[in-house]
Amino acid sequence: QQQVKQSPQSLIVQKGGISIINCAYENTAFDYFPWYQQFPGKGPALLIAIRPDVSEKKEGRFTISFNKSAKQFSLHIMDSQPGDSATYFCAAFSGGTSYGKLTFGQGTILTVHP
Amino acid sequence: NAGVTQTPKFRVLKTGQSMTLLCAQDMNHEYMYWYRQDPGMGLRLIHYSVGEGTTAKGEVPDGYNVSRLKKQNFLLGLESAAPSQTSVYFCASGQTNEKLFFGSGTQLSVL
Repeated sequence: QQQVKQSPQSLIVQKGGISIINCAYENTAFDYFPWYQQFPGKGPALLIAIRPDVSEKKEGRFTISFNKSAKQFSLHIMDSQPGDSATYFCAAFSGGTSYGKLTFGQGTILTVHP
Repeated sequence: NAGVTQTPKFRVLKTGQSMTLLCAQDMNHEYMYWYRQDPGMGLRLIHYSVGEGTTAKGEVPDGYNVSRLKKQNFLLGLESAAPSQTSVYFCASGQTNEKLFFGSGTQLSVL
């Protein structure tokens, strides 16, 4: 059962363009939504995260947009650069106890052409 | 600090063989996790630990066992490897269970 659905599976963008990756979730108990970035041969690394009490969070060229009523959130990469080429994972966290854990989406392979 | 270190980085097993993957973290983190990454499947949680001496099952625990005898180490064991366990395995740790730091992965092939 995939509780976090991510799309698209792959994305090709020209340098300077906007990359948009979308995620949808079902469990309303999720209360923390991070995005992880993974370069080839490396482990994922936390990129940016949001909590459901805000609708948008921006860090540099990276923005998360969050729609609580639709149970959707997205990552926008402005002015995309070849160095942004990586796999991106959205995730959702249901906490409440120490046994809370992250549920990851399927991943999006982003390629930014020069 | 080395962060999260996984050994080995690559391994090839024959069906039925056993092996142990080692994860070590030097950040004094309470939480440790083992994930597997497969194309189109994202990261799926195998087992995790919320502190020294504790373990819990994740999403796909069958065929794996874990132990956390020391706070800094989290071991993942495969008792009888199967081709379906061919994957890239990632260990992660965190001071909280929200923000995780990942190792560089172990690529395992089971023939």
